Amino acid sequence: GQQVMQIPQYQHVQEGEDFTTYCNSSTTLSNIQWYKQRPGGHPVFLIQLVKSGEVKKQKRLTFQFGEAKKNSSLHITATQTTDVGTYFCAGSGGSQGNLIFGKGTKLSVKP
Amino acid sequence: ETGVTQTPRHLVMGMTNKKSLKCEQHLGHNAMYWYKQSAKKPLELMFVYSLEERVENNSVPSRFSPECPNSSHLFLHLHTLQPEDSALYLCASSQGLPQGPYRMNTEAFFGQGTRLTVV
Repeated sequence: GQQVMQIPQYQHVQEGEDFTTYCNSSTTLSNIQWYKQRPGGHPVFLIQLVKSGEVKKQKRLTFQFGEAKKNSSLHITATQTTDVGTYFCAGSGGSQGNLIFGKGTKLSVKP
Repeated sequence: ETGVTQTPRHLVMGMTNKKSLKCEQHLGHNAMYWYKQSAKKPLELMFVYSLEERVENNSVPSRFSPECPNSSHLFLHLHTLQPEDSALYLCASSQGLPQGPYRMNTEAFFGQGTRLTVV
């Protein structure tokens, strides 16, 4: 079945450093979504990418969707302590289009 | 408030008990999901209901039994659980849209989750 792999599992950075998490699917995706889960909270939607090669920005966050629509990345420039949490990618595809989540990357930021 | 409400927020149950988790969405979505989240397996998909029909099971043990009486409500019935079933159970909903021969889903809205402890 469809699988979505996400790396790294954990990332510890110093405040001000950059951070990137990568997502890879075993099959071509219809779209990819990114979510953030704060400690003790539930996943909250950040953004959706649909087009091949699409790049979107939200302030310090840059999201990319690969040309083959099988991989994606989230890059945070100059991390802040408010960026702490787990970032999940979720791919949608196939006849059912069910959202399959990656295992997430847990980001910790040292002030 | 995300538009998806889960009850109860916390549940402690014995291995011989029977309990149910409830999820309600007022977003007009046509797909609802149950996810299990634990330290070992973050966001593990358990069940998917699309247009009130179960479309994915993912080999979940039979001690978990889902029910979707209508597009706004989703239940997870629990019986004879094991301590390793202790986890955060998250409900989510989204809108499934046709995209050519395939389907894609819009953003998923999650409930606050039920923190389940099996003793």
